[in-house]
Amino acid sequence: GENVEQHPSTLSVQEGDSAVIKCTYSDSASNYFPWYKQELGKGPQLIIDIRSNVGEKKDQRIAVTLNKTAKHFSLHITETQPEDSAVYFCAASRTGTASKLTFGTGTRLQVTL
Amino acid sequence: NAGVMQNPRHLVRRRGQEARLRCSPMKGHSHVYWYRQLPEEGLKFMVYLQKENIIDESGMPKERFSAEFPKEGPSILRIQQVVRGDSAAYFCASAVAGGLGTYEQYFGPGTRLTVT
Repeated sequence: GENVEQHPSTLSVQEGDSAVIKCTYSDSASNYFPWYKQELGKGPQLIIDIRSNVGEKKDQRIAVTLNKTAKHFSLHITETQPEDSAVYFCAASRTGTASKLTFGTGTRLQVTL
Repeated sequence: NAGVMQNPRHLVRRRGQEARLRCSPMKGHSHVYWYRQLPEEGLKFMVYLQKENIIDESGMPKERFSAEFPKEGPSILRIQQVVRGDSAAYFCASAVAGGLGTYEQYFGPGTRLTVT
């Protein structure tokens, strides 16, 4: 089955700096890669996703890149703000009946003033 | 458009009792997924259902756990004879088929189960 590894487990940046979180996956058939933000006591919130036919996607301060050959994908947050502090999870899945998400172990991002 | 709803938000059960968790998907969504999250860990897939059908239950323990998504009403995750190891946050996600056949999953706030 699919295995997703995520690094780093914790990340501390100063407000205004950039943050990068990296994930690798094992199943070459995976073709959908979402990123979720989870705040304390809440459910995961979908913040951005990318499909395998796209190499990069950007939404304001957030961008995701995908390297299918290397089976790597990354989340980039620019101009970080204190409200970006949360746990971020990457995930991978196929489509259709095999669309269950396999999650990484999470990255706790702390944005300091 | 209301998001995914789950209830109860917190549930305390003694060992041996039954836990019943409910999930109402977003309006227009007919796909439901259940995930479990242990403290300080990621989410683990349990089961994927469409209306009246279990599509994938590969992550569901073989005993004591069951799930349903009836034609009418919420999806139910049932845990019989709970044990302390069942203590976790249980999240439901719902999805609708996208144009490329990929399902964006939107999560509810979760049910935090504590077994005493």
